[in-house]
Amino acid sequence: DAKTTQPNSMESNEEEPVHLPCNHSTISGTDYIHWYRQLPSQGPEYVIHGLTSNVNNRMASLAIAEDRKSSTLILHRATLRDAAVYYCIPSYNYGQNFVFGPGTRLSVLP
Amino acid sequence: EAGVAQSPRYKIIEKRQSVAFWCNPISGHATLYWYQQILGQGPKLLIQFQNNGVVDDSQLPKDRFSAERLKGVDSTLKIQPAKLEDSAVYLCASSLLSLRQGLSGNTIYFGEGSWLTVV
Repeated sequence: DAKTTQPNSMESNEEEPVHLPCNHSTISGTDYIHWYRQLPSQGPEYVIHGLTSNVNNRMASLAIAEDRKSSTLILHRATLRDAAVYYCIPSYNYGQNFVFGPGTRLSVLP
Repeated sequence: EAGVAQSPRYKIIEKRQSVAFWCNPISGHATLYWYQQILGQGPKLLIQFQNNGVVDDSQLPKDRFSAERLKGVDSTLKIQPAKLEDSAVYLCASSLLSLRQGLSGNTIYFGEGSWLTVV
């Protein structure tokens, strides 16, 4: 399994962009990079995923380094509802290969 | 589209008692997962079903935990007897595609979880 390193916590002001980094230097060539987030008292929810190219969806953007050893989740305008734990998960499959680390706890200040 | 349903939402039991959690996945989802999430940690996979067969239960403490997936739809997770360290949130999740159909776009959907406190 690819090991990941994420900051324990980050803070952002409301309506400002947030860049959440993740290092995954042992990622394999077939691993997708997934981001999930977990709002308080809820189960994790899918945010975005990618393989090599940068990806955009209505929730966020994912910037993947050229060597794929790191990636950055970008929330373009943080809202209070974005306060959550964000998990970066490199994996080619679900199951035991899909490992949730401790993630990054994002606080959004009004 | 209805999400993953779990019950009960909260449960408090004494150690050595038993407890059962129920999960109804999203309709048509082939794969069902049970995760354990201890406070302050990320979820840890306990067991994975594909239809009604077990794909992986290597991290399930089989001396006290059991799980089944009835007719490839609903699932129950049972703990008997419970220990203090079993206090956690038990998350059920499901995904549409089978393992062999690839990962891209095969999102896992989680329920809200069942919160267990063992006293």
